[in-house]
Amino acid sequence: AQKVTQAQTEISVVEKEDVTLDCVYETRDTTYYLFWYKQPPSGELVFLIRRNSFDEQNEISGRYSWNFQKSTSSFNFTITASQVVDSAVYFCALSALGQTGANNLFFGTGTRLTVIP
Amino acid sequence: DTGVSQDPRHKITKRGQNVTFRCDPISEHNRLYWYRQTLGQGPEFLTYFQNEAQLEKSRLLSDRFSAERPKGSFSTLEIQRTEQGDSAMYLCASSLTTGGRNTEAFFGQGTRLTVV
Repeated sequence: AQKVTQAQTEISVVEKEDVTLDCVYETRDTTYYLFWYKQPPSGELVFLIRRNSFDEQNEISGRYSWNFQKSTSSFNFTITASQVVDSAVYFCALSALGQTGANNLFFGTGTRLTVIP
Repeated sequence: DTGVSQDPRHKITKRGQNVTFRCDPISEHNRLYWYRQTLGQGPEFLTYFQNEAQLEKSRLLSDRFSAERPKGSFSTLEIQRTEQGDSAMYLCASSLTTGGRNTEAFFGQGTRLTVV
């Protein structure tokens, strides 16, 4: 069974602060993908990153960074120097990697981030 | 616009009526997914197609729901005899899956259904 837990329901930070969004996952699969998506008020899910289970190297993209730790089944997301435009709901998701390719996504319940100017 | 397109964006219907939504995926993508998202929750998987074949259906997809992708391009999701509990955002996504390559899923803006 797949499960993704985002324990933080809502977070508020003041602009320019750093913020970390937590994600813990459960899966019996040995190969899988982990994702982060952003959902702004417009409703569309915007892809941010995909990580496969073979690669625990952390990644940085501009103000965004991701920390994948298989030992704790966590895939945390940090925004550095937050901006008002970062305000959105952020979803962590998990996908098994089967013989026919990546399967459907299991999403967490999301973390609503509000950046206060 | 080369993204995933969904139509309509909003639909209000009376309980008991049938509704149909359409999704046009990114043109070269062979996989198409339907998800449902209720308020305050993450999207939940409903079903997916690889080309025209429907490969998986979730238990959330009751007998009143049917999805098709007749030519392996656009897809429709029909809900018959709508109930108030069907009120949700219905999201479509597409991806490309080949022997050695899997792209991430790209989502449309969704169809928000309100059953009154």
